Amino acid sequence: GQNIDQPTEMTATEGAIVQINCTYQTSGFNGLFWYQQHAGEAPTFLSYNVLDGLEEKGRFSSFLSRSKGYSYLLLKELQMKDSASYLCAPKSGGSYIPTFGRGTSLIVHP
Amino acid sequence: KAGVTQTPRYLIKTRGQQVTLSCSPISGHRSVSWYQQTPGQGLQFLFEYFSETQRNKGNFPGRFSGRQFSNSRSEMNVSTLELGDSALYLCASSLTGQGLREQYFGPGTRLTVT
Repeated sequence: GQNIDQPTEMTATEGAIVQINCTYQTSGFNGLFWYQQHAGEAPTFLSYNVLDGLEEKGRFSSFLSRSKGYSYLLLKELQMKDSASYLCAPKSGGSYIPTFGRGTSLIVHP
Repeated sequence: KAGVTQTPRYLIKTRGQQVTLSCSPISGHRSVSWYQQTPGQGLQFLFEYFSETQRNKGNFPGRFSGRQFSNSRSEMNVSTLELGDSALYLCASSLTGQGLREQYFGPGTRLTVT
């Protein structure tokens, strides 16, 4: 199966920057999604990376290194509402179905 | 544009019973995927339907089944419920599936098996 590794929990201060890392198996890789999920709510799409490099979208950016099997989500100017679980979901093994990691629970405090 | 809807939102069943959950995708979306989410296992893929055909299946027992109708609405059925089936069941729709575009998730059905 897919081995997706991301930290279980992170804490950060309002206004700060946080980077959430994700490593995955590279065999048959063909893209990676990041989703945000607030407690008790459905996941919502944040980003999709296929090529190496950084993609910026407002306060959120996502980076991908295909050769290293590594991605990160960068959140800038943190707000309290960013407290949520962040799910890394790569597509690997030749499948187009994304496999979700267990998520990183981010706690933003004042 | 209306989002993905799922019914019912909450359900309590007893072991051995069966349950059917419903999902209506975003208008125009033809791919519907189902996921089970539990605190211990995270989000796990059950199956994906496209144009009334099951295109992909996850690693779940045959007690879990689904179908898709011509209007893209989908149902998921779990027979002979077990305590371990207690979970949040999410469906997600996308335009074409095949992982080319993002998925939009519904609010989920919280199933409790007692």
